[in-house]
Amino acid sequence: DTAVSQTPKYLVTQMGNDKSIKCEQNLGHDTMYWYKQDSKKFLKIMFSYNNKELIINETVPNRFSPKSPDKAHLNLHINSLELGDSAVYFCASSQDGAGGRETQYFGPGTRLLVL
Amino acid sequence: DAKTTQPPSMDCAEGRAANLPCNHSTISGNEYVYWYRQIHSQGPQYIIHGLKNNETNEMASLIITEDRKSSTLILPHATLRDTAVYYCIVKLRGAQKLVFGQGTRLTINP
Repeated sequence: DTAVSQTPKYLVTQMGNDKSIKCEQNLGHDTMYWYKQDSKKFLKIMFSYNNKELIINETVPNRFSPKSPDKAHLNLHINSLELGDSAVYFCASSQDGAGGRETQYFGPGTRLLVL
Repeated sequence: DAKTTQPPSMDCAEGRAANLPCNHSTISGNEYVYWYRQIHSQGPQYIIHGLKNNETNEMASLIITEDRKSSTLILPHATLRDTAVYYCIVKLRGAQKLVFGQGTRLTINP
């Protein structure tokens, strides 16, 4: 069973298009995240949602809009795609908890290429 | 979150113990040390975490110095599949985001 899954795995699209990436977790976790890994391999958080509520928004352009229909899903919609959006996008989830137990589990990534 | 410093790359022979160091001299009392790894552009994989005591699980051991300013991740019998980028991350208790540095690229050689 895949704990954190993302679709699609690969996405190739033209500049200016709008696209969505979906994420689902079957771990029963309360919190979900989107991270971006650019061509230099830096991995950086974009958003986090806790119980469908936006908690972290790390100065991401408002062309990026996360949507959490329920606790198990966090989708990422990107409007007016730009060349610089090409990256690998990782979804993750964790369970709230004290004591540093909020281990994050990552999905396999979505490789986005904007032409 | 405290900053961490890791060597950019390391090599280890297959079957030997791989010891990956991490400095976190500005760590505060309620910050945990986490280790993740990323194998060839897959999603980061959790390895282990600790606060001040040494920890061991089925993947690795984590040794944290008494002053908590540095730690070492030990893979006791490295295999070729352990070749990956290893990230040492310091995270405040309750904080949600992981701040990834550049990590250590560990290469296991046959």
